[in-house]
Amino acid sequence: QSVLTQPPSVSGAPGQRVTISCTGSNSNIGAGYDVYWYQQLPGTAPKLVVSGHSNRPSGVPDRFSGSKSGSSASLAITGLQAEDEAVYYCQSFDSSGSGVFGGGTRLTVL
Amino acid sequence: ELQLVESGGGLVQPGGSLRLSCAASGFNIDDYAMHWVRQAPGKGLEWVSGIIWNSGNIGYADSVKGRFTMSRDNAKNFLYLQMNSLRAEDTALYYCAKDISSGSYYRLVFGMDVWGQGTTVTVSS
Repeated sequence: QSVLTQPPSVSGAPGQRVTISCTGSNSNIGAGYDVYWYQQLPGTAPKLVVSGHSNRPSGVPDRFSGSKSGSSASLAITGLQAEDEAVYYCQSFDSSGSGVFGGGTRLTVL
Repeated sequence: ELQLVESGGGLVQPGGSLRLSCAASGFNIDDYAMHWVRQAPGKGLEWVSGIIWNSGNIGYADSVKGRFTMSRDNAKNFLYLQMNSLRAEDTALYYCAKDISSGSYYRLVFGMDVWGQGTTVTVSS
């Protein structure tokens, strides 16, 4: 069982907006630690797509954005495209001293 | 190009040991915290261990604490993970990852912006 909770799956049609939630606790997201989002395509290593307060690494389109409120965070993807189909993970830091990940959310583009 | 290349994985019997290595190129690891993250077959990501830039803070997941030891050689630009008393549940693809920060005594993990392709560890008799 993952420390951060994500829905197992979400879906959307091309062009639509989808959001993926990530729920933590007062020892991680709620303690004020940043949340990071990764995209993992089949058979490849994870790729950082959103860092902290909606910062995007070079090359990541501005269709990807992040937000945080209390002990939860969300990844939003607008203008959904077929190449966005992947598994998305949230990650943060826990005051126990560990890195923590969510269980992953599979995004299906209909 | 920033690159991480893992090696050292393989098939090992329960109770055995392995030493993973991670070679960095295109950047100096002594500016960054570094991590090992694993992914069991068909499962999600699990943070295994992290080490800040000067080895002054090293952390482990509860699942590996006391069995795994992480270290770094900044002069050689290498990262290591010594894995002892291996169990079937340690079977996974092990990734080496670069943190976006150097880390500190108070905070070991930020986000991870460079990942290797992973090395597979299989624990089975």
